[in-house]
Amino acid sequence: EIVLTQSPGTLSLSPGARATLSCRASQTVSANYLAWYQQKPGQAPRLLIYGASSRATGIPDRFSGSGSGTDFTLTINRLEPEDFAVYYCQQYDTSLRTFGQGTKVEIK
Amino acid sequence: EEQLVQSGAEVKKSGESLRISCEASGFSFANYFIGWVRQVPGEGLEWMGVIYLGDSDTRYSPSFQGHITISGDKSISTAYLQWNSLKASDTAMYYCARHPIGGHAFWYFDLWGRGTQVAVSS
Repeated sequence: EIVLTQSPGTLSLSPGARATLSCRASQTVSANYLAWYQQKPGQAPRLLIYGASSRATGIPDRFSGSGSGTDFTLTINRLEPEDFAVYYCQQYDTSLRTFGQGTKVEIK
Repeated sequence: EEQLVQSGAEVKKSGESLRISCEASGFSFANYFIGWVRQVPGEGLEWMGVIYLGDSDTRYSPSFQGHITISGDKSISTAYLQWNSLKASDTAMYYCARHPIGGHAFWYFDLWGRGTQVAVSS
């Protein structure tokens, strides 16, 4: 099982700031089979990024993903009020697909 | 509009059985796997398993195998998540989500249902 560890647990930032979220895998994620999801309170998760760096349909370009191997990053440039939420990474390299425990981005 | 429409909230007692559903709307089930994800209150997401309704190919997480059954009816574009004997620890929100058929490159969930809340009392 690939274990994904996200850091930090909580990120306190002001609107307009840049958020940098980390996702570290316990073993190499082949071909960058890693996705990022956003979840707001009371809502289902929403796909933001797949293939480590490809934005899903309709996702603003202030969201970007990068990384390879075991270290991946989600960057949110110029935080908008609607971006304050919990973010999860997920690897889909293995048949047992796993999620990280999440990073909460909160308003400072 | 493409949607996954989930059944309503359930309140059950330990030991009871339950089946919740997820219906595809606005797209063809034939091109997608449907998966289930658990979210315990205040916690993260857990991948439970997936099914391809075209041939009922089903994969389970070892953490859930033996306790749940994932099934479906392609004639009505509906997937199911079933328990024969619920436990209080099954109390959670359950989401269905789809990923396109194909190889590993497509195994991300690109559309999610709104979730079905399941509460199990002991």
